[in-house]
Amino acid sequence: GDSVTQMEGPVTLSEEAFLTINCTYTATGYPSLFWYVQYPGEGLQLLLKATKADDKGSNKGFEATYRKETTSFHLEKGSVQVSDSAVYFCALMNWAAGNKLTFGGGTRVLVKP
Amino acid sequence: GAGVSQTPSNKVTEKGKYVELRCDPISGHTALYWYRQSLGQGPEFLIYFQGTGAADDSGLPNDRFFAVRPEGSVSTLKIQRTERGDSAVYLCASSLEGGISGNTIYFGEGSWLTVV
Repeated sequence: GDSVTQMEGPVTLSEEAFLTINCTYTATGYPSLFWYVQYPGEGLQLLLKATKADDKGSNKGFEATYRKETTSFHLEKGSVQVSDSAVYFCALMNWAAGNKLTFGGGTRVLVKP
Repeated sequence: GAGVSQTPSNKVTEKGKYVELRCDPISGHTALYWYRQSLGQGPEFLIYFQGTGAADDSGLPNDRFFAVRPEGSVSTLKIQRTERGDSAVYLCASSLEGGISGNTIYFGEGSWLTVV
């Protein structure tokens, strides 16, 4: 079945540092890929998405590129802020397998001032 | 309302009791999803509704779990004979339509269930 693997946290960074969270997936066909973020005390929010190979999703300074050859969708941000402290989830939706998101285990990011 | 609304936000129940969790999706969204998130893990799919019907219930763990959406809007997740292992955050989500790659899935803040 489909699966998503992302690096375990917590990831602790200083403000203005570069952030990378690795995400790889296993799926048949051509899934859409997503990054969701969960800020403390809030619900899951869509951060960015990409629906086909080589697409780049971007939002709030975060970027991720859909790499089919490496089955990856790594999340990056060039300069993090304290407000980026949250749990980040990589997910896929395989339209051929039904309308459901498959999530990775989440990566907690803590940005210190 | 503006977003997906879930009630209660917190529920503590005794082992063996019956529990209902309610979800009010974004107005006009025909697709509705239930997920379960255990502590320190990613959400796991439970069931998907398109309109009033359950289009995919393959994620329901056993027959103690049941969900309905009788009028194609509000949905209720029902758990019978609760067990301590059912303790988790139950997330509801909705989207404009299922099966279309451009539609964003919006999540509620979840109902935190604790079975003691």
